[in-house]
Amino acid sequence: QTVVTQEPSFSVSPGGTVTLTCGLSSGSVSTNFYPSWYQQTPGQPPRALIYNTNTRSFGVPARFSGSILGDKAALTITGAQADDECDYYCMLSVGGGLWEFGGGAKLTVL
Amino acid sequence: QVQLVQSGAEVKKPGASVKVSCKASGYTFSSYALHWVRQAPGQSLEYMGWIAGGNGDTKSSQKFQGRVTMTRDTSAGTVYMELSSLRSEDTAVYYCTRGVGGGNLDNWGQGTLVTVSS
Repeated sequence: QTVVTQEPSFSVSPGGTVTLTCGLSSGSVSTNFYPSWYQQTPGQPPRALIYNTNTRSFGVPARFSGSILGDKAALTITGAQADDECDYYCMLSVGGGLWEFGGGAKLTVL
Repeated sequence: QVQLVQSGAEVKKPGASVKVSCKASGYTFSSYALHWVRQAPGQSLEYMGWIAGGNGDTKSSQKFQGRVTMTRDTSAGTVYMELSSLRSEDTAVYYCTRGVGGGNLDNWGQGTLVTVSS
């Protein structure tokens, strides 16, 4: 069974740059997995940030970008702001039209 | 604008079933699939499956196969997710979300809290 992995926590200074990654328990992530990223603040539904590896969802600022770094998908936040402090989830296509979320990463801006 | 409005919170006993609705508006219902995602308290998102708005095809994650039923009423622009044989571990907020391709779940319902407790 496919397990999508994320490092559980990151921190960044205001104005700094941080990269969150999304991998597989076995194998490498490629564009064929259509990696997407979601942002969630407490008590709210998730919000789509990036889909199809590197396409920003409507209204998402350019300081959020997606890519493949090595064998993982990556979400990079450039010029971090205080309100970027929340949870981030990646999602991968696992075949058969189905998807799988990672365990999530909590970003602290300090 | 696109809106997904879900039914209200439910409290169920172990072994019972729950049926959550999601009414879609602001777009052509038949053009997109609606997906279901749940989140247990303090836990990560968990993908459950999808139903096509057009032909009603469904697909569910292996974990939920045999326990989840997704249906739609095209005249009402509404999809339903029924989960049976409930256990305490099914206590979660259940979300419906529109899939527009490429892994883009672009609009989300407000969530429905389902509590399973004896």
